[in-house]
Amino acid sequence: GIQVEQSPPDLILQEGANSTLRCNFSDSVNNLQWFHQNPWGQLINLFYIPSGTKQNGRLSATTVATERYSLLYISSSQTTDSGVYFCAVEQFDDYKLSFGAGTTVTVRA
Amino acid sequence: GAVVSQHPSRVICKSGTSVKIECRSLDFQATTMFWYRQFPKKSLMLMATSNEGSKATYEQGVEKDKFLINHASLTLSTLTVTSAHPEDSSFYICSASGSRYEQYFGPGTRLTVT
Repeated sequence: GIQVEQSPPDLILQEGANSTLRCNFSDSVNNLQWFHQNPWGQLINLFYIPSGTKQNGRLSATTVATERYSLLYISSSQTTDSGVYFCAVEQFDDYKLSFGAGTTVTVRA
Repeated sequence: GAVVSQHPSRVICKSGTSVKIECRSLDFQATTMFWYRQFPKKSLMLMATSNEGSKATYEQGVEKDKFLINHASLTLSTLTVTSAHPEDSSFYICSASGSRYEQYFGPGTRLTVT
């Protein structure tokens, strides 16, 4: 099956800092989503981004499908940004998502 | 929009009993629903895919007789863990997909089997 690798596995930030999370995938994909899992376990949809660039407030994402990677940018980080960020891809047209191992982000005040 | 609920959020049961978890799409019709399992500090593992009115498709290694999935309507899917054992303790998460490709996730159910 497709391999989804996220880096770095852990990230500690000072409040106000910027950061970039990376997601590499081993094969072409139909779809890609970024999620934030909060401390209570809820996955929150951040971006649906099979290609191109999107921005939502302090977050933005870019997917370069031809080179099989996606980046998630967090600017001016806040403590509420803490949690695990997952990248997930859909390889075939079957709605199934394959998840990366996640990046655990800790933002310190 | 795109809200998915799960019930219960937390359940403790004795070994050998069965537990049912409900997943509902509250404001959209979900043609496809998914069930995932997540171990502590690990990623999500897809267990099965269910389409309304048809049998669920289970991922390799997932016992279909142990994890019964029913998708009776476009807004409700249930997962029943039968004859639960301590090794079934985990965080179970459902997701739902409608006419768009995005999946929307429920808040999860933490199952503890004693």
